[in-house]
Amino acid sequence: SQTIHQWPATLVQPVGSPLSLECTVEGTSNPNLYWYRQAAGRGLQLLFYSVGIGQISSEVPQNLSASRPQDRQFILSSKKLLLSDSGFYLCAWSGLAGGKGEQYFGPGTRLTVT
Amino acid sequence: GESVGLHLPTLSVQEGDNSIINCAYSNSASDYFIWYKQESGKGPQFIIDIRSNMDKRQGQRVTVLLNKTVKHLSLQIAATQPGDSAVYFCAENSPNSGYALNFGKGTSLLVTP
Repeated sequence: SQTIHQWPATLVQPVGSPLSLECTVEGTSNPNLYWYRQAAGRGLQLLFYSVGIGQISSEVPQNLSASRPQDRQFILSSKKLLLSDSGFYLCAWSGLAGGKGEQYFGPGTRLTVT
Repeated sequence: GESVGLHLPTLSVQEGDNSIINCAYSNSASDYFIWYKQESGKGPQFIIDIRSNMDKRQGQRVTVLLNKTVKHLSLQIAATQPGDSAVYFCAENSPNSGYALNFGKGTSLLVTP
């Protein structure tokens, strides 16, 4: 069966510090991978998605970036965090092309920028 | 821009009753809809989905109804249980939104004994 992992689970970082969040998927090949951010009491906002190694599409301009160095690894980064980067970051994968199909979410990373 | 919204931010039901969570969408081109359940501090969990060529789909204790005429989607939960307490999100995708699922803000369901 497929599983998706994210780490760390929680993170507190000062403004201006770098960020690296990691997501890995097991039990599937060539998944579509997604990074979402969820602000408190809000729905999910798609940040990035990837259909293959080295292929990244950005949905929202921001100071975050994403990379996919391996087929089942997706990394969310920032060189300098802003207060507004605080939130709950969720990684997801899907096995179908486009947005037509279930996206399976990881457990999330709670990021607090102080 | 296009939006997906929910009629009620909170819903309280008694254990054993049926729950109905509603969702309105504004993009008439939306052709795929999905419901997620999110428990506090966890990632969303897939419940059920429906494509625009259907108006009803049933799962285990859940039914999704799609009314394209009024752009309305609902999730019905039969015999609601305490474990159903969570925030429920609807999301949609349209041909021109690529890989993006457009999520609503969510409805909090509270099941009381």
